[in-house]
Amino acid sequence: EVQLVESGGDLVQPGGSLRLSCVGSGFTFSNSWMSWVRQAPGKGLEWVANIKKDGSEKYYADSVKGRFTISRDNAENSLYLQMNSLRAEDTAVYYCAGDFACTYWGQGTLVTVSS
Amino acid sequence: DIVMTQSPDSLAVSLGERATVNCKSSQSVLSTSNNRNYLAWFQQKPGQPPKLLISWASTRESGVPDRFSGSGSGTDFTLTISSLQAEDVAVYYCQQYYSAPITFGQGTQLEIK
Repeated sequence: EVQLVESGGDLVQPGGSLRLSCVGSGFTFSNSWMSWVRQAPGKGLEWVANIKKDGSEKYYADSVKGRFTISRDNAENSLYLQMNSLRAEDTAVYYCAGDFACTYWGQGTLVTVSS
Repeated sequence: DIVMTQSPDSLAVSLGERATVNCKSSQSVLSTSNNRNYLAWFQQKPGQPPKLLISWASTRESGVPDRFSGSGSGTDFTLTISSLQAEDVAVYYCQQYYSAPITFGQGTQLEIK
């Protein structure tokens, strides 16, 4: 059974930083593109970033470029999202998604940016 | 960026009737190298993560009921539910994965009439 488990979500002040993690199992993590997708309360889905199987290519949404960094550790079947200079509009549930077409999804972790 | 526009924003259909959701991309998501449309459909129920229903515009994922089908090519796509069931109440999203940034449609809320 495929599982993706996110962690690291929290309440953080504007301008603060947070690191999200996602651990995958039940599929070949090292052979899969991985993405972060977020969903603000009551809103639609917004793709945030993705990373190639070997980490050699990374892409970001304009809304997070320069502030967020995606990375992975295939030895640990883990995906990360380092989020800096957080803004109120970054408040959302952050999902980890596996495979190029986002075939697999975790349950999400809530990030709240507020003073 | 490729903009994905869904229609309608919301839809109410009677049980057992057909439901149709449309998705239009601002540029083609058809690859000329492999003749595949990089278009997916997702279903999201309240409090749950999205679930992939269809990839490559028309390939149903394992375990997805055959009342769900996808069609279209290039810039115009359709998700059809042939006979609506109560458990199909959800928000449906299209997504292009042809080029970065990956983009989603705004979502279509499907309800029972």
